[in-house]
Parts: sequence; structure tokens; C-alpha cells
Amino acid sequence: DAKTTQPPSMDCAEGRAANLPCNHSTISGNEYVYWYRQIHSQGPQYIIHGLKNNETNEMASLIITEDRKSSTLILPHATLRDTAVYYCIVDEGYGGSQGNLIFGKGTKLSVKP
Amino acid sequence: GAVVSQHPSRVICKSGTSVKIECRSLDFQATTMFWYRQFPKQSLMLMATSNEGSKATYEQGVEKDKFLINHASLTLSTLTVTSAHPEDSSFYICSASNRRDWYQETQYFGPGTRLLVL
Repeated sequence: DAKTTQPPSMDCAEGRAANLPCNHSTISGNEYVYWYRQIHSQGPQYIIHGLKNNETNEMASLIITEDRKSSTLILPHATLRDTAVYYCIVDEGYGGSQGNLIFGKGTKLSVKP
Repeated sequence: GAVVSQHPSRVICKSGTSVKIECRSLDFQATTMFWYRQFPKQSLMLMATSNEGSKATYEQGVEKDKFLINHASLTLSTLTVTSAHPEDSSFYICSASNRRDWYQETQYFGPGTRLLVL
């Protein structure tokens, strides 16, 4: 079973920020939070990951709470091409353990014009 | 960087034939490669993990004699579905692990191969 809980679906208006929440209350100290997304009929795309600190890259920002029990992925200016299923995954990310990325059901984000 | 390709993107075959799918990491050497399977409206399920030069490790319930994995180099892994049957029709996705620093790896996924067995 996935170690994370995400809302099954969300809508966002084009051009607005999309904030996708994820709960991971049983995360252990050496586990990272990874975010991937899967656009229909394509392989998952890596977005961002973090351990404790907030992270930002050219795609998104990741905000992790101080107790690390939840996080939020932020797409600052959502476009129609951001419509996808977004997966939040916790994993140690080392030594082959990252092989068994457990993909839950994710959040289906629909960006609307 | 961190691009993974798969070939073919789509294949249709007759029941009983074998199909080979290639997975390549184009701009990095992968420490490990993985094969996943995804049925319609379901999430990805890991089938096997492979390291270059060694035998693949299969997940429980995945037949290693049916899904042959060869990891010939640090940039190439192949999955052969032997004696394919209609129930093997699925979306097969590979990924490659890129060690960005000494303690952390990130998996990058290929675009997937859609297999239809008639």
C-alpha cells in the first residue's frame, strides 16, 4: 500500500497556482518525498523531491511541513499541459530501495481554461 | 538531462510470439534499471529490478521465465515477453536510476511501450 494520501482529483484555472497536498504521516527520517506526474498514455515524469527543506526548480516548488508529515506541490502558473495525474511518493532513494516506488492512485489535476 | 527512451512505443503481436522492448538511458549511465507494468485505469506496478551484468530481481508473482530481462550495459536494458498472450497486453514502462550524489538516486522514466496481443 502507498504510504501517502492524496485527494483523488482537483481542478485549477489556467494561469493560477495549483497546490497539490499530500499526507505522509508515517514517513521515516531517511525517506525523501518525491513527486512525479503522468500525462495520459505517457511514462511518469519526475518533478521534484525533497527531504526536509523546501525545494524549487524550473517546474515546481515543494513545501514540506516542519514535522515532515505532509507536503504541498506548487505549480506556480498552471497551463493546460499540466493536466495529469500527480503522484506523491516517499522513498529512501538509495541503494536499490528506490526501485520499488509505490505509486498510489495520485491526484488527477485538471487545468481548465 | 536524464532522458530515458523506449522502443518500440507501440507493438501489436499474435498470441504465442515473443516481443522485445528496449530501454535506454540517453545521457547518463544508470546504476539500476526497472521495469513496470500498468493496466488501464490502474497505477504502475514494479515487475523487476535489474543491475548491469547481474540477474534481474523479480517481484512476487512475476514469472521470470516469461519476462526475460537482459541488462547488457549501463545504458541499455531489454524486456522480452515470451509466448505472449492477450492477458499480457499492457503498458510497459522502464525507468533508470541516476545517482545524483553519493547518497541519493532519482528514477527517470521512459515514455512507455503499449503492447497489444491478439
